[in-house]
Amino acid sequence: ELKVEQNPLFLSMQEGKNYTIYCNYSTTSDRLYWYRQDPGKSLESLFVLLSNGAVKQEGRLMASLDTKARLSTLHITAAVHDLSATYFCAVGIQGAQKLVFGQGTRLTINP
Amino acid sequence: NAGVTQTPKFQVLKTGQSMTLQCAQDMNHNSMYWYRQDPGMGLRLIYYSASEGTTDKGEVPNGYNVSRLNKREFSLRLESAAPSQTSVYFCASTRGGSELFFGSGTQLSVL
Repeated sequence: ELKVEQNPLFLSMQEGKNYTIYCNYSTTSDRLYWYRQDPGKSLESLFVLLSNGAVKQEGRLMASLDTKARLSTLHITAAVHDLSATYFCAVGIQGAQKLVFGQGTRLTINP
Repeated sequence: NAGVTQTPKFQVLKTGQSMTLQCAQDMNHNSMYWYRQDPGMGLRLIYYSASEGTTDKGEVPNGYNVSRLNKREFSLRLESAAPSQTSVYFCASTRGGSELFFGSGTQLSVL
Protein backbone atom coordinates (compact mmCIF):
# COMPACT_ATOMS: atom_id res chain seq x y z
CA GLU A 1 0.00 0.00 0.00
CA LEU A 2 1.40 3.35 -1.01
CA LYS A 3 1.82 5.82 1.84
CA VAL A 4 2.73 9.45 1.37
CA GLU A 5 4.06 11.56 4.21
CA GLN A 6 4.74 15.27 4.21
CA ASN A 7 6.70 17.27 6.70
CA PRO A 8 6.34 19.59 8.30
CA LEU A 9 2.56 19.65 8.56
CA PHE A 10 2.56 23.26 9.76
CA LEU A 11 5.11 25.89 8.89
CA SER A 12 5.16 29.52 9.94
CA MET A 13 7.90 31.62 8.45
CA GLN A 14 8.88 35.20 7.85
CA GLU A 15 8.91 36.95 4.54
CA GLY A 16 12.26 36.81 2.83
CA LYS A 17 13.29 33.46 4.33
CA ASN A 18 13.92 30.18 2.54
CA TYR A 19 12.41 26.85 3.47
CA THR A 20 11.76 23.34 2.19
CA ILE A 21 8.75 21.03 2.40
CA TYR A 22 9.46 17.30 2.14
CA CYS A 23 7.35 14.56 0.63
CA ASN A 24 8.31 10.92 1.25
CA TYR A 25 6.54 7.96 -0.28
CA SER A 26 6.73 4.27 0.48
CA THR A 27 6.72 2.36 -2.82
CA THR A 28 7.84 2.76 -6.41
CA SER A 29 5.98 5.43 -8.30
CA ASP A 30 6.09 6.80 -11.79
CA ARG A 31 4.89 10.34 -11.16
CA LEU A 32 4.60 12.98 -8.47
CA TYR A 33 2.60 16.19 -8.29
CA TRP A 34 2.51 19.29 -6.14
CA TYR A 35 -0.73 21.17 -5.55
CA ARG A 36 -1.64 24.39 -3.79
CA GLN A 37 -4.90 25.01 -1.92
CA ASP A 38 -6.07 28.36 -0.59
CA PRO A 39 -8.57 28.37 2.30
CA GLY A 40 -12.06 27.41 1.12
CA LYS A 41 -10.85 26.86 -2.43
CA SER A 42 -10.08 23.95 -4.70
CA LEU A 43 -6.66 22.52 -5.54
CA GLU A 44 -4.43 24.13 -8.13
CA SER A 45 -1.71 22.16 -9.89
CA LEU A 46 1.81 23.54 -9.40
CA PHE A 47 4.25 20.94 -10.71
CA VAL A 48 4.33 17.57 -12.41
CA LEU A 49 7.50 15.50 -11.91
CA LEU A 50 7.86 12.41 -14.05
CA SER A 51 11.47 11.24 -13.81
CA ASN A 52 14.35 10.83 -11.41
CA GLY A 53 16.25 14.07 -11.02
CA ALA A 54 13.42 16.17 -12.43
CA VAL A 55 13.52 19.78 -11.28
CA LYS A 56 10.89 22.39 -12.05
CA GLN A 57 10.73 26.03 -11.03
CA GLU A 58 7.99 28.62 -11.09
CA GLY A 59 8.72 31.96 -9.49
CA ARG A 60 9.82 31.44 -5.91
CA LEU A 61 8.90 27.75 -5.88
CA MET A 62 11.12 24.91 -7.01
CA ALA A 63 10.24 21.22 -6.91
CA SER A 64 12.56 18.24 -7.32
CA LEU A 65 12.22 14.47 -7.38
CA ASP A 66 14.59 11.71 -6.27
CA THR A 67 12.91 8.42 -7.13
CA LYS A 68 15.70 6.33 -5.60
CA ALA A 69 15.20 7.99 -2.23
CA ARG A 70 11.42 8.16 -2.81
CA LEU A 71 11.57 11.83 -1.91
CA SER A 72 10.35 15.05 -3.41
CA THR A 73 11.04 18.54 -2.11
CA LEU A 74 9.27 21.86 -2.59
CA HIS A 75 11.67 24.72 -1.94
CA ILE A 76 10.50 28.23 -1.25
CA THR A 77 12.94 31.05 -1.91
CA ALA A 78 12.57 34.49 -0.33
CA ALA A 79 9.01 33.81 0.78
CA VAL A 80 6.27 36.39 0.28
CA HIS A 81 2.87 36.58 1.97
CA ASP A 82 1.03 35.54 -1.21
CA LEU A 83 2.56 32.07 -0.91
CA SER A 84 0.59 31.38 2.27
CA ALA A 85 -1.53 28.30 1.50
CA THR A 86 -1.68 24.56 2.06
CA TYR A 87 0.60 22.53 -0.19
CA PHE A 88 -0.03 18.91 -1.07
CA CYS A 89 2.12 16.36 -2.78
CA ALA A 90 0.42 13.48 -4.57
CA VAL A 91 2.06 10.30 -5.81
CA GLY A 92 0.91 8.13 -8.65
CA ILE A 93 0.56 4.41 -8.10
CA GLN A 94 2.61 2.72 -10.77
CA GLY A 95 0.46 1.26 -13.50
CA ALA A 96 -2.74 2.60 -11.98
CA GLN A 97 -4.82 5.64 -12.77
CA LYS A 98 -4.95 7.07 -9.27
CA LEU A 99 -3.02 9.31 -6.90
CA VAL A 100 -2.41 9.12 -3.17
CA PHE A 101 -2.12 12.47 -1.40
CA GLY A 102 0.02 13.54 1.51
CA GLN A 103 -1.59 15.17 4.54
CA GLY A 104 -0.73 18.65 3.36
CA THR A 105 1.59 21.36 4.74
CA ARG A 106 -0.10 24.49 5.96
CA LEU A 107 2.29 27.34 5.23
CA THR A 108 1.85 30.75 6.84
CA ILE A 109 4.17 33.57 5.82
CA ASN A 110 4.27 36.53 8.16
CA PRO A 111 5.36 40.06 7.21
CA ASN B 1 -13.61 26.89 -20.25
CA ALA B 2 -15.75 25.35 -17.51
CA GLY B 3 -13.30 22.51 -16.67
CA VAL B 4 -14.74 20.36 -13.88
CA THR B 5 -18.16 21.40 -12.57
CA GLN B 6 -19.58 20.08 -9.31
CA THR B 7 -23.05 20.55 -7.88
CA PRO B 8 -24.22 21.42 -5.32
CA LYS B 9 -21.62 23.63 -3.61
CA PHE B 10 -23.21 23.25 -0.18
CA GLN B 11 -25.59 20.68 1.27
CA VAL B 12 -27.00 19.90 4.69
CA LEU B 13 -28.54 16.48 5.27
CA LYS B 14 -30.14 14.72 8.18
CA THR B 15 -28.83 11.30 9.18
CA GLY B 16 -30.36 8.64 6.96
CA GLN B 17 -31.19 10.93 4.04
CA SER B 18 -29.81 10.22 0.58
CA MET B 19 -28.33 12.48 -2.02
CA THR B 20 -26.29 12.51 -5.21
CA LEU B 21 -23.33 14.75 -5.92
CA GLN B 22 -22.98 15.55 -9.60
CA CYS B 23 -19.75 16.08 -11.52
CA ALA B 24 -19.18 16.90 -15.17
CA GLN B 25 -16.03 17.71 -17.14
CA ASP B 26 -15.71 19.21 -20.60
CA MET B 27 -12.04 18.39 -21.24
CA ASN B 28 -12.63 15.00 -22.88
CA HIS B 29 -10.77 13.29 -20.03
CA ASN B 30 -10.95 9.53 -19.67
CA SER B 31 -10.47 9.25 -15.91
CA MET B 32 -12.59 10.78 -13.17
CA TYR B 33 -12.31 10.67 -9.39
CA TRP B 34 -14.13 11.44 -6.16
CA TYR B 35 -12.09 12.51 -3.13
CA ARG B 36 -13.09 13.61 0.32
CA GLN B 37 -11.07 16.10 2.34
CA ASP B 38 -11.07 16.11 6.12
CA PRO B 39 -8.91 18.34 8.34
CA GLY B 40 -5.40 16.98 8.82
CA MET B 41 -5.97 13.99 6.53
CA GLY B 42 -5.26 15.32 3.09
CA LEU B 43 -7.48 14.01 0.31
CA ARG B 44 -8.68 10.42 0.38
CA LEU B 45 -9.91 8.64 -2.71
CA ILE B 46 -13.46 7.32 -2.52
CA TYR B 47 -14.00 5.90 -6.01
CA TYR B 48 -12.55 6.42 -9.42
CA SER B 49 -13.36 5.63 -13.02
CA ALA B 50 -10.36 4.99 -15.24
CA SER B 51 -12.53 5.07 -18.36
CA GLU B 52 -16.16 5.20 -19.39
CA GLY B 53 -17.95 2.06 -18.22
CA THR B 54 -15.54 1.20 -15.40
CA THR B 55 -15.44 2.12 -11.73
CA ASP B 56 -13.14 1.05 -8.90
CA LYS B 57 -12.98 1.50 -5.17
CA GLY B 58 -10.47 3.81 -3.59
CA GLU B 59 -9.30 4.08 0.00
CA VAL B 60 -12.65 4.91 1.66
CA PRO B 61 -15.57 3.55 -0.44
CA ASN B 62 -17.89 2.38 2.34
CA GLY B 63 -21.21 4.20 2.38
CA TYR B 64 -20.88 5.49 -1.18
CA ASN B 65 -21.84 4.43 -4.68
CA VAL B 66 -20.85 5.91 -8.02
CA SER B 67 -22.08 5.98 -11.58
CA ARG B 68 -20.08 6.87 -14.66
CA LEU B 69 -23.02 8.00 -16.71
CA ASN B 70 -20.98 8.79 -19.82
CA LYS B 71 -17.53 10.13 -20.57
CA ARG B 72 -18.40 13.56 -19.18
CA GLU B 73 -20.30 12.73 -15.99
CA PHE B 74 -19.42 10.88 -12.79
CA SER B 75 -21.84 11.00 -9.87
CA LEU B 76 -21.40 10.08 -6.20
CA ARG B 77 -24.36 8.84 -4.18
CA LEU B 78 -24.83 8.63 -0.44
CA GLU B 79 -27.65 6.16 0.15
CA SER B 80 -28.05 6.73 3.89
CA ALA B 81 -25.99 9.66 5.10
CA ALA B 82 -24.10 9.44 8.40
CA PRO B 83 -22.41 12.20 10.44
CA SER B 84 -19.04 10.59 9.60
CA GLN B 85 -19.65 11.60 5.98
CA THR B 86 -19.52 15.29 6.86
CA SER B 87 -16.65 16.48 4.69
CA VAL B 88 -15.66 18.46 1.64
CA TYR B 89 -15.98 16.43 -1.54
CA PHE B 90 -13.93 17.05 -4.65
CA CYS B 91 -14.40 15.65 -8.10
CA ALA B 92 -11.39 15.53 -10.40
CA SER B 93 -10.51 14.38 -13.89
CA THR B 94 -7.42 13.64 -15.93
CA ARG B 95 -6.45 12.65 -19.43
CA GLY B 96 -4.67 9.70 -17.88
CA GLY B 97 -1.27 9.51 -16.22
CA SER B 98 -1.13 13.26 -15.86
CA GLU B 99 -2.18 15.90 -13.36
CA LEU B 100 -5.67 16.00 -11.92
CA PHE B 101 -7.98 18.92 -12.54
CA PHE B 102 -10.31 19.57 -9.63
CA GLY B 103 -13.80 20.91 -9.29
CA SER B 104 -14.62 23.64 -6.78
CA GLY B 105 -15.83 21.21 -4.11
CA THR B 106 -19.03 20.38 -2.24
CA GLN B 107 -19.26 21.12 1.46
CA LEU B 108 -21.54 18.49 3.00
CA SER B 109 -22.83 18.50 6.56
CA VAL B 110 -24.75 15.54 7.98
CA LEU B 111 -26.61 16.29 11.17
